[in-house]
Amino acid sequence: GAGVSQSPSNKVTEKGKDVELRCDPISGHTALYWYRQSLGQGLEFLIYFQGNSAPDKSGLPSDRFSAERTGGSVSTLTIQRTQQEDSAVYLCASSLASGSNGDEQFFGPGTRLTVL
Amino acid sequence: GNSVTQMEGPVTLSEEAFLTINCTYTATGYPSLFWYVQYPGEGLQLLLKATKADDKGSNKGFEATYRKETTSFHLEKGSVQVSDSAVYFCALKGVTGANSKLTFGKGITLSVRP
Repeated sequence: GAGVSQSPSNKVTEKGKDVELRCDPISGHTALYWYRQSLGQGLEFLIYFQGNSAPDKSGLPSDRFSAERTGGSVSTLTIQRTQQEDSAVYLCASSLASGSNGDEQFFGPGTRLTVL
Repeated sequence: GNSVTQMEGPVTLSEEAFLTINCTYTATGYPSLFWYVQYPGEGLQLLLKATKADDKGSNKGFEATYRKETTSFHLEKGSVQVSDSAVYFCALKGVTGANSKLTFGKGITLSVRP
């Protein structure tokens, strides 16, 4: 079956512009996560959605970052007024539910963001 | 908060050598432990996992045992192949709610030469 998909695969933008990154989770997965992978910081958690509960935004690095999940499926991560330090690979993952601590998170291929 | 510490890399081995990649963690309660692998040009994928103390996860010849007494989850393989060249991440996951995100180590690059 289809895995987690993300778009675009690559995004180059100028400093100060806004960008939107999209994630389509695996159908039926109620939990959705965004992570960021950068050279200096490794893999960092950004935000987590579980069903209709309020999202866990504890990993968002600044108020320029926001995310939403419409209809419990597709999610969009928005970065406003991008800075060069936002350059990274943004990874989306989904899992069946977060209630079981062994649930595997399935990762998408990522969006490579470059801020010039 | 939760944290994962991996040994520093990169690691270069000859084919058929024995591999150990150390991983230790700090967490409250009883987290689940994972090893993820990222092959060149590919996305992150689960290699193996263990959900409780003394569990052994295994896959593709790799093994790791959940050791609560030493808070460790070291990855081992008896005979590595060139195709094992990749970046390996140790990670933990809390049980519920806000702790269900994955906390990753910094990753280690393994290169296996023929």
